[in-house]
Amino acid sequence: GENVEQHPSTLSVQEGDSAVIKCTYSDSASNYFPWYKQELGKRPQLIIDIRSNVGEKKDQRIAVTLNKTAKHFSLHITETQPEDSAVYFCAAPIGFKTIFGAGTRLFVKA
Amino acid sequence: DTGVSQNPRHKITKRGQNVTFRCDPISEHNRLYWYRQTLGQGPEFLTYFQNEAQLEKSRLLSDRFSAERPKGSFSTLEIQRTEQGDSAMYLCASSPPAGTYNEQFFGPGTRLTVL
Repeated sequence: GENVEQHPSTLSVQEGDSAVIKCTYSDSASNYFPWYKQELGKRPQLIIDIRSNVGEKKDQRIAVTLNKTAKHFSLHITETQPEDSAVYFCAAPIGFKTIFGAGTRLFVKA
Repeated sequence: DTGVSQNPRHKITKRGQNVTFRCDPISEHNRLYWYRQTLGQGPEFLTYFQNEAQLEKSRLLSDRFSAERPKGSFSTLEIQRTEQGDSAMYLCASSPPAGTYNEQFFGPGTRLTVL
């Protein structure tokens, strides 16, 4: 089937802790894996992406890892801050479609 | 503002009426996507245009939904005979032509309420 499964649906962490969100995709041909952040009432915005020719990518406190064999990829946020609180979506392409996960609502407690 | 724009931002309609939404992508972007998002869910793919060609349409989309991008610039999404289940946020996104897959830039969305 065409789906992207995302876990957990809700994640609550203390400020300064790390947060990890995991996604599994179904199409082995998928080769681009973005992560979007959506704050309440706002549009989704890309925070990081990875292509299938690399296994990890970092951008300051954010990193994404990819395991093509297992067909899963993860978002890692270190040293979380209250402004990281939002809904995070993973996505994967299937042909011309982009399939999004159901989202993870991250709460960072000060 | 040179980002993706959508109009109207809000639409309230009665069941059975037709509605049309417009999306203006970033000017140099040739790829355009429509999504539907309901509360607590991720964006659900509806359709994809590359220039003026509609290359993909979700099987989930009923015949009541149609989209156009006549000159490869702005796009319209029409919903005929609206139903209460059509109430959602309709998002448009555009992407530049370089490479195979790239970041999608989303518009602010059109929130549809069907009474």
